[in-house]
Amino acid sequence: GENVEQHPSTLSVQEGDSAVIKCTYSDSASNYFPWYKQELGKRPQLIIDIRSNVGEKKDQRIAVTLNKTAKHFSLHITETQPEDSAVYFCAFTGGSYIPTFGRGTSLIVHP
Amino acid sequence: DAGVTQSPTHLIKTRGQHVTLRCSPISGHKSVSWYQQVLGQGPQFIFQYYEKEERGRGNFPDRFSARQFPNYSSELNVNALLLGDSALYLCASSLTGTLNTEAFFGQGTRLTVV
Repeated sequence: GENVEQHPSTLSVQEGDSAVIKCTYSDSASNYFPWYKQELGKRPQLIIDIRSNVGEKKDQRIAVTLNKTAKHFSLHITETQPEDSAVYFCAFTGGSYIPTFGRGTSLIVHP
Repeated sequence: DAGVTQSPTHLIKTRGQHVTLRCSPISGHKSVSWYQQVLGQGPQFIFQYYEKEERGRGNFPDRFSARQFPNYSSELNVNALLLGDSALYLCASSLTGTLNTEAFFGQGTRLTVV
């Protein structure tokens, strides 16, 4: 079946540093790659997404890069702030049209 | 403008019982998907409904079923509850019937099976 590996499981950074989370997926037919942020006790919220015809997308301090050949995509957060602390999930929808989520990365930003 | 709403927010059931969870999508959204999120893991896809028809099904046993109503709200039913069914159940709505589009999640129903 389809699966995605997300690393690291925990990421601790100092405020102002950059954070990078990487996901590797299994299905070459995948064409949609969203990233969700879930704060403690709250719902997942889409923060950025990318489609397979684009290699990179940026929205202020957040960017996503996609390497379809290597089947991986990454979330980049620059100038991290304490309010960025949350669990981040990558996801993709492959040829079976079933959305598959990673196990999540707990990002901790220390003031 | 209301987001995705789910009810109830919390629920405690006994093994073997049946449970019904409810979801109202964002106004104008015709697609509803259900996910199970176990503590410490990502959401796992259960079902998608679009225009009252099942469009997708994840790897869950037949004890799980769902339906969508003419007003696009949805119910998730789980029969013969097991301890392992304890989880946060999330509903997500989207504009179209494809799953490669932005999904808006509700706050979830926390189900505890004892």
